Amino acid sequence: GIQVEQSPPDLILQEGANSTLRCNFSDSVNNLQWFHQNPWGQLINLFYIPSGTKQNGRLSATTVATERYSLLYISSSQTTDSGVYFCAASYNQGGKLIFGQGTELSVKP
Amino acid sequence: GAGVSQSPSNKVTEKGKDVELRCDPISGHTALYWYRQRLGQGLEFLIYFQGNSAPDKSGLPSDRFSAERTGESVSTLTIQRTQQEDSAVYLCASRKETQYFGPGTRLLVL
Repeated sequence: GIQVEQSPPDLILQEGANSTLRCNFSDSVNNLQWFHQNPWGQLINLFYIPSGTKQNGRLSATTVATERYSLLYISSSQTTDSGVYFCAASYNQGGKLIFGQGTELSVKP
Repeated sequence: GAGVSQSPSNKVTEKGKDVELRCDPISGHTALYWYRQRLGQGLEFLIYFQGNSAPDKSGLPSDRFSAERTGESVSTLTIQRTQQEDSAVYLCASRKETQYFGPGTRLLVL
């Protein structure tokens, strides 16, 4: 099955800094999603991005499907960005998601 | 409702007891998923329902775990004879185009 690996596992930033989170996947996928799990455990959808680039405010994501990786960019980080960022992939849009182990981000004031 | 809801929010039980967890999906979402998240880990797929098709049970860890869904509405996940290793957060998601997650049920087996 699909293997999903995320890096780095942990990241500490000063407020205002930029960061890039990486997700590698082992097989061709038709569904790639990024989530933010806040400190209360709620998973929040960030992007559905099986290919290409999308932007939403200070966040943007790029997936290069042919090279089997996706990047999540966070610009001008804020303390509210803290939490765990998960990448998840599946073979088809409707199928089960395989999650990476996450990147735990801590943004210091 | 506006999002996926789950109940109870927290459940503490004794080893060997059965527990039932409930998920109410977003209205109109045809697909429903259950996942498990152990402390500090990513999510593990458990089971997937899509309309009237046979559910994908490939992620259920043992025959102590089962789930049902009535039509395109509520789903229940049942764990029989709970073990301490079952302690985790159980998350439900529903999908129209992408998966949206509920807040989870935190299960602690003593």
